[in-house]
Amino acid sequence: SQQGEEDPQALSIQEGENATMNCSYKTSINNLQWYRQNSGRGLVHLILIRSNEREKHSGRLRVTLDTSKKSSSLLITASRAADTASYFCATDRADDYKLSFGAGTTVTVRA
Amino acid sequence: DAGITQSPRHKVTETGTPVTLRCHQTENHRYMYWYRQDPGHGLRLIHYSYGVKDTDKGEVSDGYSVSRSKTEDFLLTLESATSSQTSVYFCAINKGQGYNEQFFGPGTRLTVL
Repeated sequence: SQQGEEDPQALSIQEGENATMNCSYKTSINNLQWYRQNSGRGLVHLILIRSNEREKHSGRLRVTLDTSKKSSSLLITASRAADTASYFCATDRADDYKLSFGAGTTVTVRA
Repeated sequence: DAGITQSPRHKVTETGTPVTLRCHQTENHRYMYWYRQDPGHGLRLIHYSYGVKDTDKGEVSDGYSVSRSKTEDFLLTLESATSSQTSVYFCAINKGQGYNEQFFGPGTRLTVL
């Protein structure tokens, strides 16, 4: 069964606003990653946070991880039309090269 | 560009026919994966490979088989296609740089009538 669940399933925001989505998971993890998928394309890796990290930044992306709550959030600041995509969290466990993906959050950025 | 290609990109087939999808990588990485993507389910792992002739099942492997006779190619076979296997199939690689990031191919849209 899938490890992660994203919330909300869909999000519509105005250009320039921030977008926040959450991921909850069930069992202990080694790393948590976020991926983006544009319509009709493969997934693209965005950012990885390790289980001993609490926050990470990459450009307009900010990821937090709370292992006590088994949850992570992805914040996209100052959104652009090009951020319109589906976003997926993925988790892995120590010594395991497999990833478990959530069902994703679809973000629509309105001009 | 992760150097991953998938073929075919689109295929329509009939129930009961065998279908083989191909994933090709140009960089000779050890780990390769096949996923299917369906609305509301995200990506689910079908099979993966950790070397030539070394493969293992994922969470949705029933009705699928794989083969890896060369490092660069990972084949997914639907032995007798069913309508429930209509999906988008993605291949991915892990470059083994320590953090389990995966790089995805462009996908194959398969329709089983």
